Amino acid sequence: AQSVTQLGSHVSVSEGALVLLRCNYSSSVPPYLFWYVQYPNQGLQLLLKYTTGATLVKGINGFEAEFKKSETSFHLTKPSAHMSDAAEYFCAVSEYGGSQGNLIFGKGTKLSVKP
Amino acid sequence: GAGVSQSPSNKVTEKGKDVELRCDPISGHTALYWYRQSLGQGLEFLIYFQGNSAPDKSGLPSDRFSAERTGGSVSTLTIQRTQQEDSAVYLCASSLGAVIYEQYFGPGTRLTVT
Repeated sequence: AQSVTQLGSHVSVSEGALVLLRCNYSSSVPPYLFWYVQYPNQGLQLLLKYTTGATLVKGINGFEAEFKKSETSFHLTKPSAHMSDAAEYFCAVSEYGGSQGNLIFGKGTKLSVKP
Repeated sequence: GAGVSQSPSNKVTEKGKDVELRCDPISGHTALYWYRQSLGQGLEFLIYFQGNSAPDKSGLPSDRFSAERTGGSVSTLTIQRTQQEDSAVYLCASSLGAVIYEQYFGPGTRLTVT
């Protein structure tokens, strides 16, 4: 069965600093991987996804993630944090590893950005 | 166009009562998902509808939970004989179909069981 582990339930960075949110997955088949963001009292919004092809994926708001099969990781990064990045971030993997079915989410990482 | 809408936004109910939560997906989206978000458990998949196929109910936590999707559009999640542990935010999402397509989430229904 597929699973996702996000290291660190809370991450705090200073404005302008590098953002690094860690995600490791477990999958018995080639995974489809996703990062979603949730702002307070809102639903989730897709930041980026990896399905096949290029392992470095660029998303919205300056975020990117790199799929590393050997490390079973899909860490999310942004070179310079902005106050508006404060939110909760969820890594997810497709349950069946393919194009059908639902997503399995990690527990989430709450990002705080200090001025 | 309109996004995914859910109603009510908040629901307070007494233990043992039944509740119905509604989801209106984006028009034309064939896939519809229900998730539950709680402090202790994070985001949990509940049920998935895809077109006219039988729904994937593998995430429903007990037989007190059920859902239907009428006419391939609106969906209702029903919780019978609510328990305090059912308190959570219930999120609905829809997509064009396969999981590679973005799931568009509604704002959720916050359910509190007293």
